[in-house]
Amino acid sequence: GENVEQHPSTLSVQEGDSAVIKCTYSDSASNYFPWYKQELGKRPQLIIDIRSNVGEKKDQRIAVTLNKTAKHFSLHITETQPEDSAVYFCAASRGGNEKLTFGTGTRLTIIP
Amino acid sequence: GAVVSQHPSRVICKSGTSVKIECRSLDFQATTMFWYRQFPKQSLMLMATSNEGSKATYEQGVEKDKFLINHASLTLSTLTVTSAHPEDSSFYICSASGQGAGHEQFFGPGTRLTVL
Repeated sequence: GENVEQHPSTLSVQEGDSAVIKCTYSDSASNYFPWYKQELGKRPQLIIDIRSNVGEKKDQRIAVTLNKTAKHFSLHITETQPEDSAVYFCAASRGGNEKLTFGTGTRLTIIP
Repeated sequence: GAVVSQHPSRVICKSGTSVKIECRSLDFQATTMFWYRQFPKQSLMLMATSNEGSKATYEQGVEKDKFLINHASLTLSTLTVTSAHPEDSSFYICSASGQGAGHEQFFGPGTRLTVL
């Protein structure tokens, strides 16, 4: 089955700086890679996703890159703000109605 | 985006009792629903996948007789934790996907289960 690894487990950055979180996956058939932000006691919130037919996607301060050959994808947050503090999860799936396999999560803390 | 509700949001029960959690897709037909469990400071772990009208597919290590899943309609799936014990205390989250929703899964708000 799919195995998704995520690094780092914790990350602290100064407000205004950039944050990068990296994930690797094992299943070459995976073709859908979402990123979620989860605040304490709340549901995961989709912040950006990417499909395997593109290498990069950007939405304002958030971007995701995908390297299918190396089986890794990354989340980039620029100009970080205190409200970006949360736990972030990457995930991978074969798409359609297939199950998601989650990474272990990254606790991001933005230092004012 | 599509809306998924979950009920109850919080439940406290005595050891040995059974607890039912409902997951509803409010504005789309959920052909597939997923049930996750999340322990404190850990990731979401998939428990089972259910397709409407079919038996659920359980992940390795999840007891199907303990965690009963029913997906009888395109808008409702239920998870029943039978004979709950303190180690079953966790955050249970459902998600749903359906035709026309693309690859995205829509998550419910979660249910915090505490077994005394």
